[in-house]
Amino acid sequence: AQKITQTQPGMFVQEKEAVTLDCTYDTSDQSYGLFWYKQPSSGEMIFLIYQGSYDEQNATEGRYSLNFQKARKSANLVISASQLGDSAMYFCAMVTSYDKVIFGPGTSLSVIP
Amino acid sequence: EPEVTQTPSHQVTQMGQEVILRCVPISNHLYFYWYRQILGQKVEFLVSFYNNEISEKSEIFDDQFSVERPDGSNFTLKIRSTKLEDSAMYFCASGGQGRLSQPQHFGDGTRLSIL
Repeated sequence: AQKITQTQPGMFVQEKEAVTLDCTYDTSDQSYGLFWYKQPSSGEMIFLIYQGSYDEQNATEGRYSLNFQKARKSANLVISASQLGDSAMYFCAMVTSYDKVIFGPGTSLSVIP
Repeated sequence: EPEVTQTPSHQVTQMGQEVILRCVPISNHLYFYWYRQILGQKVEFLVSFYNNEISEKSEIFDDQFSVERPDGSNFTLKIRSTKLEDSAMYFCASGGQGRLSQPQHFGDGTRLSIL
C-alpha cells in the first residue's frame, strides 16, 4: 500500500535556527516524485520543493532543502534560518507513475521569536 | 508568475443541490488534479486528468463527482447531489509536462459549505 507518514504533528523552532520536518513514504513503484507544500493559516497550498525518485542530488530551493534517503524511504524537509513567516502547516506528498497523489497528515510548525 | 485560479472562493449550497467548482490551470500545463481538505484534516486526492480523460481517481470520487475540461482552458469539478460531508476546501492543481519531474501548482481553493 502507498502511504506517507509524518510523525511530528507539531514542531517548535527558534527564529533563525534550522529545523527538520520528517517524512517517510511507502511505495512499490520505482518511479515517483515527492513534494513538500506549505499551508499557512490563510489556507492556500504553496509549493516548496520537489524530488524525483531518480534524482541523485538532494533538491534545494533557497532556504529549503530535501534530505532524500531512498533506501530508507525518507524525504525530510530542512528549513534553514527559520523566519516567523515559516509558521504554517507543512505537508509531504507523493505522486506515483499511476498518477495517484497521496498527502501525509501534516506537521504544524511554529517559529518562536 | 502564472498561477492556477479557482472560482468561486466560497460556495454555499443546500444539501441535495448540484455544484460546479471552476478552475483555470496554468496555460501550458497538461496534468490537472482536484483535491479536497476537510477542515483541520489532511489533503485528500480526488482525481487526476490528462489528455481529456481521467487518469486516476480515489475511492472518494464516486458517481456523484465528475470532471470536465469543456473549452480547453477551464477544468471543472461537478458534485451532482451534495451531502453535508462534502463540506470542505476543494483545491485544483495543475502540472507541466512530465508529472514525475515537475511540481503541481495549486489554486487558492474553493471553500464549499453544504447546509
